[in-house]
Amino acid sequence: AQRVTQPEKLLSVFKGAPVELKCNYSYSGSPELFWYVQYSRQRLQLLLRHISRESIKGFTADLNKGETSFHLKKPFAQEEDSAMYYCALRGSSGGGADGLTFGKGTHLIIQP
Amino acid sequence: GAGVSQSPRYKVAKRGQDVALRCDPISGHVSLFWYQQALGQGPEFLTYFQNEAQLDKSGLPSDRFFAERPEGSVSTLKIQRTQQEDSAVYLCASSQTSRGNTEAFFGQGTRLTVV
Repeated sequence: AQRVTQPEKLLSVFKGAPVELKCNYSYSGSPELFWYVQYSRQRLQLLLRHISRESIKGFTADLNKGETSFHLKKPFAQEEDSAMYYCALRGSSGGGADGLTFGKGTHLIIQP
Repeated sequence: GAGVSQSPRYKVAKRGQDVALRCDPISGHVSLFWYQQALGQGPEFLTYFQNEAQLDKSGLPSDRFFAERPEGSVSTLKIQRTQQEDSAVYLCASSQTSRGNTEAFFGQGTRLTVV
């Protein structure tokens, strides 16, 4: 079975400080990993995916197969980064062949 | 509209009542997904359609849950004899293809409260 773990329900950092949102996964095959973000009163939207190896809004995430992790990082937090962040996995078993398995989410609060 | 549209946005049902939740995906999107998100949890997969074919319904929690997409566009999630544990936000998502580097676009969800 596949599983995504986000150990922190809430993370509060000051503006300008570095941010790291942790994500660990359990999956026997080769997963696709994603980060989704939900800003206040908005719908869930894709932030980035490991296969693209891109930086979006200053965020990056590297897939570490040895540690089965996909942590989300940003060197300098901005107030507009405050949101719910969900790590998600797409595999070939469980959760539907193409459905996503989500973690429980981390609420990121950036303090001024 | 440009995005995935869900209706109603909010639904209050009495226990035992049947409900129907609608999803209008982005035009031309092949894949459609339903998720259930309980309070304080991440979304959990319910079912998946590729065009009109329901290819996976492994996430449906009981036989009271039924989904359809008869013409490969609009989808309806029906819950019969609702129970309090069915209270959640129901999310619909669509994507252009079923595999590969394709983004899933989410609707704003339907918040179902069973009283």
